[in-house]
Formats: sequence, C-alpha cells, structure tokens
Amino acid sequence: GIQVEQSPPDLILQEGANSTLRCNFSDSVNNLQWFHQNPWGQLINLFYIPSGTKQNGRLSATTVATERYSLLYISSSQTTDSGVYFCAVMDDNYGQNFVFGPGTRLSVLP
Amino acid sequence: GAGVSQTPSNKVTEKGKYVELRCDPISGHTALYWYRQSLGQGPEFLIYFQGTGAADDSGLPNDRFFAVRPEGSVSTLKIQRTERGDSAVYLCASSPRGPPALEAFFGQGTRLTVV
Repeated sequence: GIQVEQSPPDLILQEGANSTLRCNFSDSVNNLQWFHQNPWGQLINLFYIPSGTKQNGRLSATTVATERYSLLYISSSQTTDSGVYFCAVMDDNYGQNFVFGPGTRLSVLP
Repeated sequence: GAGVSQTPSNKVTEKGKYVELRCDPISGHTALYWYRQSLGQGPEFLIYFQGTGAADDSGLPNDRFFAVRPEGSVSTLKIQRTERGDSAVYLCASSPRGPPALEAFFGQGTRLTVV
C-alpha cells in the first residue's frame, strides 16, 4: 500500500518564527488533507489539497502531486499552533481509505 | 448536527466485556470511516462504509471487531471480549462521497480504556 512520511518528526519554535512541514507519499493520490490534532485529541481540518496551493491566514499549503509531496507553511507561529500535524492521503489506485503519516509534533514556546 | 459526533467521549470497561461506540456523521455524508489511534501514533484505518455497506473492512484487527451502519447514517463499532491492547482513541470520519473522496471531517473520538 501507499507509504506516507512526514518530516521533521519534532519541531520546537519560538513564538513568531516560521516553519515548513513536509509530507512525502509513495504513489499517486486523489485526496490529501492536512490536520492539526490539538491537545484534546481533536483532528482539525487545515487543508483539503490534492494539488495546487491554498492559503488560510497564517497557514498555507502546496501539493506537487507529480513529485509526490506536500508542504505546510506556518508563519508567525503562536503557542496555540502547538500540537501534532498530520498529513493524510488517499491512494489514486483503488484506495478506499485515508492513510496517515506519523505526524510532526510542533511545540511553540512563548 | 454541524459536525461528526461520537459517543461516549470516554469509556472504561473491564477486560472481557463487550462495548459499543457510536458515530453520528454529518448529515448527507455517504462515506463513513472508523480509525483507531494509539498514544503517539497516527490514526490507523479500521473500516469504511459507503452507504449501508462495508466497502472495506481490511483494517479490522480480528473478528472481535465489527461495525454496522444499518440505515446509512449512524454507525456503531462493536468490540467483543475486550482486551487491554484495545485501549486507544477510536475516531470516526465522514465525507460527502466515497473514492475519490472529498474532504473528510473527524469527530472528537471515543477514548476506550480496558482495565
């Protein structure tokens, strides 16, 4: 099945800093989503982005499907950005479920 | 409701007991997914429903796990003879349609603890 990797596994930032999180996947996809899992465990939808670029406030994401990666940019980070960021993909080859990466754990320090 | 709702939020049960976990998807969403998340891990797929039928149950770990969605809306995940290793957060998600799926939305999860 499709493999999903995320980097870095852990990231510590000072408030106000910018960061880039990466998601690599091993096969073509028809769905890619970025989630933020907050300290209470809730998976919050950030972007539905099987291809192209989207922006939402301080966050933006780019998926280059032909090169099998996606990037999540966080600018001017805030302590509330802390948590785990997951990339989830659906395989274009008869995939019927979302495969999650291992996540990037982000800690933003005041 | 406005989002995916899961009940209960927390469930503590004794080893060997039977439990049911409920998921209310977003109204009109035909695709429904169950995932399990252990501490420090990403969610792992259990089962996918398209309408009333289980289109893919390849993620169910063994025959103690079963799920239903009799009317194509609410789904129940059933675990028989629970074991301590079943302790995890069980997540449910729904999407307007199945593959190629549109954006999926997750509930807040049910934290199951088997003692």
